[in-house]
Amino acid sequence: DAKTTQPTSMDCAEGRAANLPCNHSTISGNEYVYWYRQIHSQGPQYIIHGLKNNETNEMASLIITEDRKSSTLILPHATLRDTAVYYCIVTSTGTASKLTFGTGTRLQVTL
Amino acid sequence: SAVISQKPSRDICQRGTSLTIQCQVDSQVTMMFWYRQQPGQSLTLIATANQGSEATYESGFVIDKFPISRPNLTFSTLTVSNMSPEDSSIYLCSVDNWDTEAFFGQGTRLTVV
Repeated sequence: DAKTTQPTSMDCAEGRAANLPCNHSTISGNEYVYWYRQIHSQGPQYIIHGLKNNETNEMASLIITEDRKSSTLILPHATLRDTAVYYCIVTSTGTASKLTFGTGTRLQVTL
Repeated sequence: SAVISQKPSRDICQRGTSLTIQCQVDSQVTMMFWYRQQPGQSLTLIATANQGSEATYESGFVIDKFPISRPNLTFSTLTVSNMSPEDSSIYLCSVDNWDTEAFFGQGTRLTVV
């Protein structure tokens, strides 16, 4: 599976959009981009995933560049409860098997 | 979706002893996974547990140290054997039932003294 690169940490004001970038320049054509987050002292939680097209659900939007070498997770209106470590994961399966977690981005949402 | 219960939620153990962690799922699932999260670190996959076959271990993890059972489609155990302080971590169970997302338990926080 392709390796991902994320910033170590980011800050965001409550109510503003949080844009979390992820580089995956070695991604293959059949690999998906997944995002999970881990709130302190909890297990990781699925957010969203995509292959080529941009995706949106009730939690977030995922923007994948046309060359698929990078993506951005967007939390449209961040709240304090969104403070967590966000993991961008690239996997060749369309399911959730055997996830390889990188170091992730620690997002701190502030008042 | 799947709801996963892990027991115990936390424990403090003496070095040299073993601890068995239980993972119970509220529905039948094909694959179960065990992860370790060392203090301040990300998650690392230990092994994949399939019902009816031996677990498949990732590089750096061996069966003698982390024996796994998978007696049925809703239950698995991970044992941390002959513990040392370096085994102090959060151990997490995850399931995949051919959905597009993985579900995780809340983890077992292990401290070895």
